[in-house]
This record gives sequence, structure tokens and C-alpha cells, in this order.
Amino acid sequence: QQPVQSPQAVILREGEDAVINCSSSKALYSVHWYRQKHGEAPVFLMILLKGGEQKGHDKISASFNEKKQQSSLYLTASQLSYSGTYFCGTETTGGYQKVTFGTGTKLQVIP
Amino acid sequence: DGGITQSPKYLFRKEGQNVTLSCEQNLNHDAMYWYRQDPGQGLRLIYYSQIVNDFQKGDIAEGYSVSREKKESFPLTVTSAQKNPTAFYLCASGPKYEQFFGPGTRLTVL
Repeated sequence: QQPVQSPQAVILREGEDAVINCSSSKALYSVHWYRQKHGEAPVFLMILLKGGEQKGHDKISASFNEKKQQSSLYLTASQLSYSGTYFCGTETTGGYQKVTFGTGTKLQVIP
Repeated sequence: DGGITQSPKYLFRKEGQNVTLSCEQNLNHDAMYWYRQDPGQGLRLIYYSQIVNDFQKGDIAEGYSVSREKKESFPLTVTSAQKNPTAFYLCASGPKYEQFFGPGTRLTVL
């Protein structure tokens, strides 16, 4: 079952902050975040693991609430380059990344 | 240059024909994946492979087949049994914790 992302779309002015949420009905081992710009392949941003470990982007932060099966991606002081569609992906076991992706959040940053 | 290549970028086929999409990587990754992307539905996993000569069905495997005879290659065949094959197909590979995506193949079945 796909994780649910919110909001579906958001428009920001440069310098504003945004939060993208991802929730699952299943217990999670990890949450992955990717960004896809129009016409391009998705690019890895970060992964949050059960137990608190994080790996990834140093300018974007995220949280993972294991008890609520929720994750949030925080985009601060947004730049035009942040525009794109953000996908969260969830993994329920600690295997080799059978990741189930959400439907995406389309973020547009305007001058 | 290291990376993942998918060919062709655009592919047109007649209904009822099987078609094979190519995916090659020179990143020495053990794991490889195929996803389908439709507007508004995100990325859906078709098949994945953790090691040569082994692969598992993802969430939407019906109508698709794969092989993994070499570490570098993970071709996807879209068979005539796939009811709605027109979509954007993405291949990925990766170490643990991360996936690197290829540029994708846009398949249109006429």
C-alpha cells in the first residue's frame, strides 16, 4: 500500500519554508525522500532509518516518527532550484530496499 | 562516466507486440529495479533484483518479465498481457540505502 503524502501541491516564494508530510499504515523500517525535476530522473535526497540514523542531503532536513509511521521533509529558505516533485518512499523490512513510493508532492518556488 | 543508461528514450509499439526495454549500469551495484510512472500515481515497483540470476516481483508485475544474467544488465519485457502498457519506465540501481535512476523510457502503445 502506497504511503500518503500531503500536501499534493504547494507554491512558495523564494526564501519561504515548506513541510511535506508522508504517512503509512504499516510499521516502517525506513523512509526515503527523492526529488524529481520535470523531465528528469528522481534524485536521492535522504533516508531515515528506524532507530534514528539519517543519511543524505546536508541542506534539507527530515524527521521520522516511528510510532506514528510518519515522516516530514523540511525545506527552509527555499530556492528556485527546490522546485520539483518530492516523493517519499517507505520500506517495511530491513531487506534490500523494496521501497513503496507515494504519489508525490509538487513544489513550485517562484521569485 | 559511471551511470545508468536506458534505451531508447522514446518507444512506440503496436498493441499486441512484446517489447524489451534496456537498462545497463556500470556502477557495480548488486541491486537493480524497474518502476513504472504514470501521472498522479508516483513510482510503482514492477520487479527488482538483488543479485545476478535472481529477481522478485514488485507491486505491479503482471504483464511484465525480466532477466538478470549479468550484474550490469536488467532488461524489462512488456508483454502483450499488460493491459495498459503506455507509461514512463524508470530503471534504478543502488547500494544499500540509495537508488540511482536512469533517464527513463517513454513507451507508447498504439
